Amino acid sequence: GENVEQHPSTLSVQEGDSAVIKCTYSDSASNYFPWYKQELGKRPQLIIDIRSNVGEKKDQRIAVTLNKTAKHFSLHITETQPEDSAVYFCAARNNAGNMLTFGGGTRLMVKP
Amino acid sequence: NAGVTQTPKFRVLKTGQSMTLLCAQDMNHEYMYWYRQDPGMGLRLIHYSVGEGTTAKGEVPDGYNVSRLKKQNFLLGLESAAPSQTSVYFCASSYATRTGTEAFFGQGTRLTVV
Repeated sequence: GENVEQHPSTLSVQEGDSAVIKCTYSDSASNYFPWYKQELGKRPQLIIDIRSNVGEKKDQRIAVTLNKTAKHFSLHITETQPEDSAVYFCAARNNAGNMLTFGGGTRLMVKP
Repeated sequence: NAGVTQTPKFRVLKTGQSMTLLCAQDMNHEYMYWYRQDPGMGLRLIHYSVGEGTTAKGEVPDGYNVSRLKKQNFLLGLESAAPSQTSVYFCASSYATRTGTEAFFGQGTRLTVV
């Protein structure tokens, strides 16, 4: 089955700096890669996603890049703010479309 | 719309007891999932369903059973709870598409087995 690895497990940045979280996946047939943000005590919520026919996608301060050859995708947050502090999860969906496998999560701390 | 609703929100069980967690969604989603979340281990898939009357095993199915008798409900059962099943459980649902679509999560159930 699919295996998703996520790094780093914790990330501390100063407000205004950029943050990058990286994930690798094992199943070359996976075709959908969402990123979720989970605030303390809350449910995970989708912040951005990318499909396998696209190399990059942006939404304001958030961007995701996908390298299908290397089976690698990354989340980029620019101009970080304290409210960006949360746990971020990457995920990969298999080609059959029925399973969503998550990475281990990254705890991002943005220091004011 | 309520989205995805889980009951109960909290529960303490004694080892060996049984319980059922209920997940209900009102978005007419075909796919439903049960995950467990443990510190440092992300979200691990327990079981999932691609439609009413169907269920399948995920990454960590042992010790759990599920049923999807109605499209809007997905039940997770623990027949004989063990301390290793102490976790936060999340239900999620999504549409069935070949290209992928957002999974919506419930608010979680914090289960403690003593």
